[in-house]
Amino acid sequence: DAGVTQSPTHLIKTRGQQVTLRCSPKSGHDTVSWYQQALGQGPQFIFQYYEEEERQRGNFPDRFSGHQFPNYSSELNVNALLLGDSALYLCASSSRQGSTNEKLFFGSGTQLSVL
Amino acid sequence: AQSVTQLGSHVSVSEGALVLLRCNYSSSVPPYLFWYVQYPNQGLQLLLKYTSAATLVKGINGFEAEFKKSETSFHLTKPSAHMSDAAEYFCAVSDPNNQGGKLIFGQGTELSVKP
Repeated sequence: DAGVTQSPTHLIKTRGQQVTLRCSPKSGHDTVSWYQQALGQGPQFIFQYYEEEERQRGNFPDRFSGHQFPNYSSELNVNALLLGDSALYLCASSSRQGSTNEKLFFGSGTQLSVL
Repeated sequence: AQSVTQLGSHVSVSEGALVLLRCNYSSSVPPYLFWYVQYPNQGLQLLLKYTSAATLVKGINGFEAEFKKSETSFHLTKPSAHMSDAAEYFCAVSDPNNQGGKLIFGQGTELSVKP
């Protein structure tokens, strides 16, 4: 059983460009959350998707957007990249049914570098 | 609002010594609390969680943590450190009423284990 898979593992972009990161949740999971982890910091919650809708959002600008597909996979899009967007982007999946954060599984992340 | 403070960004212990990683939280509601471990170039792995049951929580790899409401603390301990314990450790808090909701992470503590 594959866990949470993210692609690509590494990405280099330049300022002003746009980027799309992808996440496939663990089998049986229907909820996907995205986190940004800057170097030397703890992860920060970006948003969460369930039933193809954004359900919760952290303190991130509208440049950060997402999407969830019928198969529960998800994309994170970042427009007009800034140097400060350089970070490890983590995807986490869970099952909504009977859910708390007890059963949150994280992927290995996508390392985004903005030059 | 919820927040987490991890005291000490870096802790160094000798192999076989006690590991103590400190975490204090702030929450307006009785929280759920978590400890995660992150090895280099990997995602987060759940070590243990407190979800309002027993205040002494046992996790994987010999780690345990005690929820102390009066001290708003959730410190992580392990009686005897092993070289393989060297990693980054994150304490996190969530609101149990926010089903499947976001985690608030601390800044992390890097644990080094000396031979």
